[in-house]
Amino acid sequence: AQTVTQSQPEMSVQEAETVTLSCTYDTSESDYYLFWYKQPPSRQMILVIRQEAYKQQNATENRFSVNFQKAAKSFSLKISDSQLGDAAMYFCAYRSPGHNAGNMLTFGGGTRLMVKP
Amino acid sequence: DAGVIQSPRHEVTEMGQEVTLRCKPISGHNSLFWYRQTMMRGLELLIYFNNNVPIDDSGMPEDRFSAKMPNASFSTLKIQPSEPRDSAVYFCASSLFSGGSYNEQFFGPGTRLTVL
Repeated sequence: AQTVTQSQPEMSVQEAETVTLSCTYDTSESDYYLFWYKQPPSRQMILVIRQEAYKQQNATENRFSVNFQKAAKSFSLKISDSQLGDAAMYFCAYRSPGHNAGNMLTFGGGTRLMVKP
Repeated sequence: DAGVIQSPRHEVTEMGQEVTLRCKPISGHNSLFWYRQTMMRGLELLIYFNNNVPIDDSGMPEDRFSAKMPNASFSTLKIQPSEPRDSAVYFCASSLFSGGSYNEQFFGPGTRLTVL
């Protein structure tokens, strides 16, 4: 079974600065998907960014980018120019490919990000 | 599109009572997921359906929990009898599953359940 680990329960960043959230995972599969979800106080789960394991290029979505290190099984999220609205819980998630796995996600324990004005 | 709809948003009940949580997935989606979120255990997948058929219910904690999907636009998660340790936020999510390709899961707003 796959496991996802987020070793930082809490992180803080100054507004306009850059912060990196860590995620590692354990799998024996070679092809899979990785995601970062944001959960603000409203509880809504919002997809921030995704990465296909077969792609070497790191995914980027505006101020959000990932550092995907397949050999190290590491998938960190970098938030540039942090904004107050970025304050939330961030969850790393793993999804197996293939028919049998459906679209089921395995989540890490989450990192609470605080943004200081 | 209204997104995934869950009801109620909040539920407070007493131990031993039956609780039913409801979910309406996004129209056209054929996969539906029920998750539970607690401080202790984080986000856990309870059960998921493809084309209204339960595929994996290994995450359902015990026989007190049951889930149904009578049609493509509605699912329920029932707890009978409820216990204080069932207190959590329950999320429903849906996606369009087509073979091994990726399709985003869209989450509902969650139901916060409190069992006294």
